[in-house]
Formats: sequence, C-alpha cells, structure tokens
Amino acid sequence: DTEVTQTPKHLVMGMTNKKSLKCEQHMGHRAMYWYKQKAKKPPELMFVYSYEKLSINESVPSRFSPECPNSSLLNLHLHALQPEDSALYLCASSQDSSGRALSGANVLTFGAGSRLTVL
Amino acid sequence: DAKTTQPTSMDCAEGRAANLPCNHSTISGNEYVYWYRQIHSQGPQYIIHGLKNNETNEMASLIITEDRKSSTLILPHATLRDTAVYYCIVRLRNGSGNTGKLIFGQGTTLQVKP
Repeated sequence: DTEVTQTPKHLVMGMTNKKSLKCEQHMGHRAMYWYKQKAKKPPELMFVYSYEKLSINESVPSRFSPECPNSSLLNLHLHALQPEDSALYLCASSQDSSGRALSGANVLTFGAGSRLTVL
Repeated sequence: DAKTTQPTSMDCAEGRAANLPCNHSTISGNEYVYWYRQIHSQGPQYIIHGLKNNETNEMASLIITEDRKSSTLILPHATLRDTAVYYCIVRLRNGSGNTGKLIFGQGTTLQVKP
C-alpha cells in the first residue's frame, strides 16, 4: 500500500459545526503533515507530527485542532471555522521528518485532499 | 531559509523535452533540492530530488549546477498528462528549528500543447 487516503473528499459545514478530516497511511511512515491550499496558491504547511508527537505548528488558529491517535492515522478537527477557511486540505506522510534528509527518507506522499467549504 | 525562484509559466510541445529551471542561490551545503508536481485538483506528487550530482529516474532528470545555485528539471518527452504546476523546493535543514518543513513556492505552471 503506497497511498495516503483522505476522507471525506468533500465537506460542507456551517460556521457553528464541528467536523473532522481524516487521513490514513499504511506505509510505516512516522511523520505526517497537514497542508492547506487555497485556489491558485501553493500548499501551506499547517502541522507536522513526528512519531505521533506534534513537532511543528505553523501558528495555525486554534479552531483547527490536529490529532494523531497512532502512527497510521491523522485527524484534523474543525470547529467554529470561517468562510475564509474554505480550501483544499492536504495530508501527507514521510518516513520521518528529519531535516537531515537521509536520501529518500523525506519524500512526502500526499493524499488527494479534502475540499472544505465553510458557509 | 533557502528560497527558490521559478518562472510563473511555460509551454511545451507534446513529445518534446520540457526544461524547467529553478534558482536557489542561497542553498546551504546539505540541503537537498526536491521537485514535486501538482496536477489540477490532485495532491502534489514527488518527482525527483538531488544534492550535488545529476539524478535520473523513470519520470525525469535533475541537473544541478556545480555551484548548486540553480537546477533544471527535464521531462524528456512531455505528454499532455504532464500539464501541471511544478514546484522546486529546497528542504530545510535539521537543527535550525525548522525540522520537517517542506515549503512550497509559487511553482511553474507547465502547459503541454498538442
């Protein structure tokens, strides 16, 4: 299995709703990532988990709450979002997150994304 | 942080080689150059990466200049399915407080035309 699976593919939610995005990989990767991508813009890093611990939070508002229940799963809990949070949310994984970059170890495999619309 | 500069867009005729340039003049000694592409409405896809030497795989070739200040991604025989945004990324080093970051620049939109 060489894929990162994201669910749901599409999500529409109101500003008062609570929802979650899910990401799963079975490649034995120990680093997982959340990126946010607005239309016609490059992906922006949100969070990095390394060995199930949050290692990077790019000053993301607290209405986005990541969770890594185990090494294969990554969730993004959403609460009280704003319309400007509408975007494509991308999950990725890699063998590890070390910047030492053992050749190949830092290659990220991305999922297809969850397209979020906040009304 | 080493940053990259890429042309905003390029065209290429189908069947011809596509050469995508990238400048990374502030790259540090142990930073790798990575290339990813993103086809419309899909997640980014890894293409190739390198440190100093030229690299080739089944998708592309990566040519890195001797001073490492620039590189070129070569798709030897472009097809319509290669139409995508191509990102050149310098991977940040460990120990600088930026472990694990893969930061995307604006990328080059490659349009392969029949």
